[in-house]
Amino acid sequence: DAGVTQSPTHLIKTRGQQVTLRCSPKSGHDTVSWYQQALGQGPQFIFQYYEEEERQRGNFPDRFSGHQFPNYSSELNVNALLLGDSALYLCASSLAYGTDFLAGNQPQHFGDGTRLSIL
Amino acid sequence: LAKTTQPISMDSYEGQEVNITCSHNNIATNDYITWYQQFPSQGPRFIIQGYKTKVTNEVASLFIPADRKSSTLSLPRVSLSDTAVYYCLVGDNPGGGADGLTFGKGTHLIIQP
Repeated sequence: DAGVTQSPTHLIKTRGQQVTLRCSPKSGHDTVSWYQQALGQGPQFIFQYYEEEERQRGNFPDRFSGHQFPNYSSELNVNALLLGDSALYLCASSLAYGTDFLAGNQPQHFGDGTRLSIL
Repeated sequence: LAKTTQPISMDSYEGQEVNITCSHNNIATNDYITWYQQFPSQGPRFIIQGYKTKVTNEVASLFIPADRKSSTLSLPRVSLSDTAVYYCLVGDNPGGGADGLTFGKGTHLIIQP
């Protein structure tokens, strides 16, 4: 049973560039969420996708956007990269969306992330 | 907005029972409490989830008092491999936003021989 997979594992970019990160959810899951984890901090919720639409969004600027495909896989796009965007980007999948997701009544399954470094 | 408070760090020894408490004074009626474990350069791993009273699985127990304003993760007979960061996550429904899904800084548990 394949878990959540993310690619690439590491990425180096320079300020102002754009980046796309990819995620395949756990088999059977249809909801994908993205998190940003800075060094020494807990994961911060970016947004969640269900049925190819953004359903929930955390406190992140419009430079952060995403997409979900019919096979439930997802992409995270970040434009105009800043030094502060350097972080571990985590993808999580689950069976919950909407109020169930916000209530946290379904555990999330996380990938091992993409380490993004901005020079 | 449900926020959580945990100790920054804890130390223990192999074979001991470890209890990590999380405070969540503003938990909403429908919110669940979930604990995750994270090793360096890996994503968080689900440990246990509960709504009230006590939940037990093969790796941990979760104790939730009647007022649900706190919860305690209990790890029996820890080993060196239990050294990790442990996060308590509480839902944010109907908080009106998704900030409650954001993890706190977690508890860095260090197990010594």
